[in-house]
Amino acid sequence: SSELTQDPAVSVALGQTVRITCQGDSLRSYYASWYQQKPGQAPVLVIYGKNNRPSGIPDRFSGSSSGNTASLTITGAQAEDEADYYCNSRDSSGNHLNWVFGGGTKLTVL
Amino acid sequence: EVQLVESGGGLVQPGGSLRLSCAASGFTFSSYWMSWVRQAPGKGLEWVANIKQDGSEKYYVDSVKGRFTISRDNAKNSLYLQMNSLRAEDTAVYYCAREMDCGGDCYYMDVWGKGTTVTVSS
Repeated sequence: SSELTQDPAVSVALGQTVRITCQGDSLRSYYASWYQQKPGQAPVLVIYGKNNRPSGIPDRFSGSSSGNTASLTITGAQAEDEADYYCNSRDSSGNHLNWVFGGGTKLTVL
Repeated sequence: EVQLVESGGGLVQPGGSLRLSCAASGFTFSSYWMSWVRQAPGKGLEWVANIKQDGSEKYYVDSVKGRFTISRDNAKNSLYLQMNSLRAEDTAVYYCAREMDCGGDCYYMDVWGKGTTVTVSS
């Protein structure tokens, strides 16, 4: 199966911009989707497709992709954005019906 | 309101069995692929299994093949995960999630339950 690689931890000053990246071969075939998870809570979808936000997700969250790398950008990070962020996509190895998750990035807002 | 509610978790001895359930409401359950995703304590998310709308196709992560079985009952708007031969490394919070397809190269999981905790320990 394929893998998606994320930096384990990233920090950002309050109000500044931060980019969280996700790399993997599957991203050459599929868009990544991004999930925010706060302690003790279920994941919440924040970005999907080319750059789509579900209803209720602030527009400071955006997504982009190039080659085998997908990025989640938070423009003007807020204290409430401190969380773990995971990328995932369909797994392009094998039947393309399995899924793969990145290892997650812990975002600290300073 | 679109909602998924998991149940059935608990403490089980190694080698034992457990059946998880996920009750769906607020949407046409039979129209969607569904997944189980787990998260071991202090670890990241791991996809476990998924099932097609009519139950005709099922896929699993290698580590659970032959031990776990995903199923669904569209008449009851319910998803299940039968877990046999449980191991300590299966200890995790198990989430059910709805899969979405926005065309060709775009797939995502847009609705998640709150999870149910499975602990495998003697």
